[in-house]
Formats: sequence, C-alpha cells, structure tokens
Amino acid sequence: DTEVTQTPKHLVMGMTNKKSLKCEQHMGHRAMYWYKQKAKKPPELMFVYSYEKLSINESVPSRFSPECPNSSLLNLHLHALQPEDSALYLCASSQSGGLGDTQYFGPGTRLTVL
Amino acid sequence: AQSVTQLDSQVPVFEEAPVELRCNYSSSVSVYLFWYVQYPNQGLQLLLKYLSGSTLVKGINGFEAEFNKSQTSFHLRKPSVHISDTAEYFCAVMGSGGSNYKLTFGKGTLLTVNP
Repeated sequence: DTEVTQTPKHLVMGMTNKKSLKCEQHMGHRAMYWYKQKAKKPPELMFVYSYEKLSINESVPSRFSPECPNSSLLNLHLHALQPEDSALYLCASSQSGGLGDTQYFGPGTRLTVL
Repeated sequence: AQSVTQLDSQVPVFEEAPVELRCNYSSSVSVYLFWYVQYPNQGLQLLLKYLSGSTLVKGINGFEAEFNKSQTSFHLRKPSVHISDTAEYFCAVMGSGGSNYKLTFGKGTLLTVNP
C-alpha cells in the first residue's frame, strides 16, 4: 500500500477562521512533508518532519502551523489566512527522508480563502 | 544550490507518436533526479528516478529517461503516447549537502495528447 490520504478534499474558509488539514500514511514512513501548489506552478516545499521532529521550515508565515502527533499523522493548522493562500496543499511521505528517497504524494486539499 | 529547467512549458502530440520532455539540471554536487506526473486534480506520482548506476532508467507506463552528465540533462521519453498520458510532468532534483531533504521541481511541462 503506497497511499497517502488527505482530508478534506476541498476547504473554503474566511480570513478569520481556524481550520486544519489532515494527512495520514500507513507505510511506516518516518518523513512527512507539506507542499503548497498554486495553479499551473510546481509544488513548493513548506515543512519537513523527520522522525516526528520539524527539520525544515521554508520560512513559512506563522499563520500556517504544522503538527506531527505521531509517525503516521501530519496536520497543518490554518489561522488568519489571506486570499493569496488559496492553493492546493499536498502532503507527502518518504521512508526516512534520506537522499534519493521516493516521496509519495497524497491527492491534496484544495483550499479557498475568501 | 540545485535547480532544474524544463525547457518546454507545453508539448502537444498526436496519439501513438513518440514524445520527449526535456529537463536540464544544475548542481555542483551529486544529484538524484526524478520525474513525476500530475493528472488533473490529483497529487503527484513518481514515474522514475535516477540515483546512480545505469544511465538509462525505465519507469512506469512505458516511460524512460536518460541521465547525461556531460550535458546535465535528464530527458523523459515515451515511444508511443496515449490519450491517457495527457498530464503535467515535473522534473525534480534532490541534492546532497545542506538541503538534502529537499526536492526542487522544475516549472512543469504540460503534455497534451490529441487523437
């Protein structure tokens, strides 16, 4: 099973709302990633968790708050977002985050900020 | 820092024709190269990757790519495409060094297969 699941598939939120995106994998992977993808653009890395510890934060604004409660689960908490944050948010996982590891992507959550 | 350049933003082809999607990379250290495909409204799926060894890499769905160190290229090829190959294709590089966890993607090539 090489599946990464993401919920919800679609999310519409106002600028004052608080919401969370959820990502789950059961492949025993120890590295998990959040990417942001704007329309017709490549994915851009936001965060990397390795063995449940945040190892990379690509200078993401604090209105995005990642959380890794356990090795199978990755959350992205959203608060006071801006309309320009509307995008497809992709989660991925890989075995250990080492060089050459294949990253397996989920289907994404399409976020619209009004 | 590592980077990739996908030379064509769009490639239209007819069904059953061969196709080549071009990718050039830039890196001063060892590189690991990937091709991913993204179908409309979906996540990314790995087609193939080059880590070391044979420079000709075979992937899923009949795709293959050739690593060429002297030309710093990693072009993706398929001898005969199907309508279902219509998708966005991303070349990506993962480099050793300070950013060893990071995949850096090219801007993508939209492959459109016409009947």
